[in-house]
Amino acid sequence: ETGVTQSPTHLIKTRGQQVTLRCSSQSGHNTVSWYQQALGQGPQFIFQYYREEENGRGNFPPRFSGLQFPNYSSELNVNALELDDSALYLCASSPPGPRRANTEAFFGQGTRLTVV
Amino acid sequence: TQLLEQSPQFLSIQEGENLTVYCNSSSVFSSLQWYRQEPGEGPVLLVTVVTGGEVKKLKRLTFQFGDARKDSSLHITAAQPGDTGLYLCAGARGATNKLIFGTGTLLAVQP
Repeated sequence: ETGVTQSPTHLIKTRGQQVTLRCSSQSGHNTVSWYQQALGQGPQFIFQYYREEENGRGNFPPRFSGLQFPNYSSELNVNALELDDSALYLCASSPPGPRRANTEAFFGQGTRLTVV
Repeated sequence: TQLLEQSPQFLSIQEGENLTVYCNSSSVFSSLQWYRQEPGEGPVLLVTVVTGGEVKKLKRLTFQFGDARKDSSLHITAAQPGDTGLYLCAGARGATNKLIFGTGTLLAVQP
């Protein structure tokens, strides 16, 4: 059983550019959530996808968008990058099942995005 | 507004000491998780607590969920250098099951 994998691991972009981050969920997991973690802080919820549909969104502007594919892998797209977007972007997948199990999130290693 | 406040923010102790990390909120959560994160890695799930008053033990780690499901604590007995890391509590609320993370506690255990 493979865990959550994210690509790329590191990325440097220029302000104003666009970026796409990718995530493969853990086998059997149908829910994917994305988080942004600034240095020295806890992760902040961006949005969640369940069965290819957005299922909740945090306090992030529309230039943060996402997709989930039929195999439950997911993408996070960020347009018009700003310096403050520099952070560790984490993807987490959750298994189907009773509510208790569904709240457990299994994280990938993250993508470190630096905007210059 | 940070819904989950952790204390202390930083903790540096000697190997063999005991410690407690607190996670407090004015909001009720349906469940609460504790994670440990090492530099450059994603958080790793340690435990999930669901019932108010619940206590769970994981080797030298003891987790407690408050009776009102608003707060939690993590107690480590006889800390070891391998316990070093960022400890995060996270609460689940609402139908989306999105996690609200705490501010984090950075623990350093010196040999």
